[in-house]
Amino acid sequence: KQEVTQIPAALSVPEGENLVLNCSFTDSAIYNLQWFRQDPGKGLTSLLLIQSSQREQTSGRLNASLDKSSGRSTLYIAASQPGDSATYLCAVQTSGTYKYIFGTGTRLKVLA
Amino acid sequence: NAGVTQTPKFQVLKTGQSMTLQCAQDMNHNSMYWYRQDPGMGLRLIYYSASEGTTDKGEVPNGYNVSRLNKREFSLRLESAAPSQTSVYFCASSEYRESPLHFGNGTRLTVT
Repeated sequence: KQEVTQIPAALSVPEGENLVLNCSFTDSAIYNLQWFRQDPGKGLTSLLLIQSSQREQTSGRLNASLDKSSGRSTLYIAASQPGDSATYLCAVQTSGTYKYIFGTGTRLKVLA
Repeated sequence: NAGVTQTPKFQVLKTGQSMTLQCAQDMNHNSMYWYRQDPGMGLRLIYYSASEGTTDKGEVPNGYNVSRLNKREFSLRLESAAPSQTSVYFCASSEYRESPLHFGNGTRLTVT
């Protein structure tokens, strides 16, 4: 059974710092992996999608990498800003299905 | 472009009451999903519809029913609400299985 873990559960950093959020999964037979952002009381916004054949994806200050063999993905945020404060979730899509398994998220606070 | 719209935003039910959560998307997406989000549990898939006319069970379907009314609309029904169904419910859609998920802003349901 696929399990997705995100460590740490919470993180506080000063503005301007580069940071890495971690996501690990137990079954490497995945179709793709997505990173999401969730603001309090809101839905999830898709940040980056990495297909199983890809190693990384970039969007602005965000870079996500995928290492299927080790069951790991990282989300790198460059030059963090207070507006980046949110909960970041990763989700993996099991091969051959429509089902995504979500991690419980990392709550990020960027201090001004 | 509204994206994914969920109604209502908030609802309080008594045990045993029934209700339907509504979801509509205006992006011409083929696939639609219902998730629930509980503290410490992450998001869990209740039901999904890969395409118009099809529905399938997710991880936690017990106590729920769904209807894919047309390509735009996917509703979730609680026939006899229980306190264990207190949660935040999210509807999501994707163009294809491998496409990014787009989420609505959620319905916060309390069952007393």
